[in-house]
Amino acid sequence: QVQLVESGGGVVQPGRSLRLSCAASGFTFSRYGIHWVRQTPGKGLEWVAVIWYDGSNKDYADSVKGRFTISRDNSKNTLYLQMNSLRAEDTAVYYCARDMYDSTLGGGMDVWGQGTTVTVSS
Amino acid sequence: DIQMTQSPSSLSASVGDRVTITCRASQSINNYFNWYQQKPGKAPKLLIYAASSLQSGVPSRFGGSGSRTDFTLTISSVQPEDSATYYCQQSHSTPLTFGGGTKVEIK
Repeated sequence: QVQLVESGGGVVQPGRSLRLSCAASGFTFSRYGIHWVRQTPGKGLEWVAVIWYDGSNKDYADSVKGRFTISRDNSKNTLYLQMNSLRAEDTAVYYCARDMYDSTLGGGMDVWGQGTTVTVSS
Repeated sequence: DIQMTQSPSSLSASVGDRVTITCRASQSINNYFNWYQQKPGKAPKLLIYAASSLQSGVPSRFGGSGSRTDFTLTISSVQPEDSATYYCQQSHSTPLTFGGGTKVEIK
């Protein structure tokens, strides 16, 4: 069963750090780019970051650039999002999602995790 | 950044109605365009990719059309289980961007 499972969310104070994980199973993880997408309560979807299938390229939304780092360990079938200098506006449900095309990007996101909630509050 | 403008923001339809949702990109994105359905408390689900290709397992009453800047999602005969919020998204270039969503209510 093709699956992504996020973990690592929680409540954190402004300025602190948190690392999210996304464990993949049921497909060849090392062949697909993976995105992080977040959704604030009652609001729409915001793309956060992407990493290529081999980790060679990464890209970020301006709102997180310089604070968040996306990475992956293909030997462990796991994606990460290191979030530093967290702000109240980073409060959201964070999803990891697979880009549907093998070895490239530009497709839809065809597999999503269930989401993990990050709350930034003092 | 490419802006995605989706309309309407909400609609109400009766079972069996034909429903149309539109999305406009602020610049040409060719067919790097996708539609998602999201139900409360759940992750989005890919419905249509590459503007008009039906994702595996999605009912054939869902259809997508358009290219360059203007795109449409059509539900040919809406069913009660189609009550959800629908989002468009461009996958042409980063930052990837989503439309604001259309909440579909079934009367």
